[in-house]
Amino acid sequence: GAVVSQHPSRVICKSGTSVKIECRSLDFQATTMFWYRQFPKQSLMLMATSNEGSKATYEQGVEKDKFLINHASLTLSTLTVTSAHPEDSSFYICSVAKTLTDTGELFFGEGSRLTVL
Amino acid sequence: KQEVTQIPAALSVPEGENLVLNCSFTDSAIYNLQWFRQDPGKGLTSLLLIQSSQREQTSGRLNASLDKSSGRSTLYIAASQPGDSATYLCAVKLHSGYSTLTFGKGTMLLVSP
Repeated sequence: GAVVSQHPSRVICKSGTSVKIECRSLDFQATTMFWYRQFPKQSLMLMATSNEGSKATYEQGVEKDKFLINHASLTLSTLTVTSAHPEDSSFYICSVAKTLTDTGELFFGEGSRLTVL
Repeated sequence: KQEVTQIPAALSVPEGENLVLNCSFTDSAIYNLQWFRQDPGKGLTSLLLIQSSQREQTSGRLNASLDKSSGRSTLYIAASQPGDSATYLCAVKLHSGYSTLTFGKGTMLLVSP
């Protein structure tokens, strides 16, 4: 199966600082990656779809200027939480799909726990 | 808008029991359905993927069924073990290609020795 790597797994930062989370597809090239956010005891909510070489597509209610997504290569997408505040504390998970004609199975990273003090 | 519901929200069973987790979705026009396992503070591990044309999938002690017309899926775990303790998430994919998943809130399973 696919292997998706996320880094860092945990990060604690002060309010007002920016934090970058990396998502790497280790086994195959991924033109599209998805970023999710999960609050405690809640389901995963899609934040944005990251497209290699073009702008990300954000879900309604997600501030694109606050959550910057860069997908500069076929194996790496980054999510930067700018000017983080305590309410941004959450679990962020990325996922990738193999190919357009694949089974449609999505593979997920290990997640990144962000705590903003 | 597609909504996915999982029942029960939490389940506690003694080791060795067979159990069933339920998932329902409001829009039956799905492309596939995927069951995941999530350990505390961790990412998601894919357990079973059922295409819309399939009725069930099996992997070891796990069996997942799909009744698309009624908008339901079940995950059957046989002979449960303490290592099965985790949150189980059900998710549906609406379209082929690069479309995302809609998740339920999960069922938190605790298997006691």
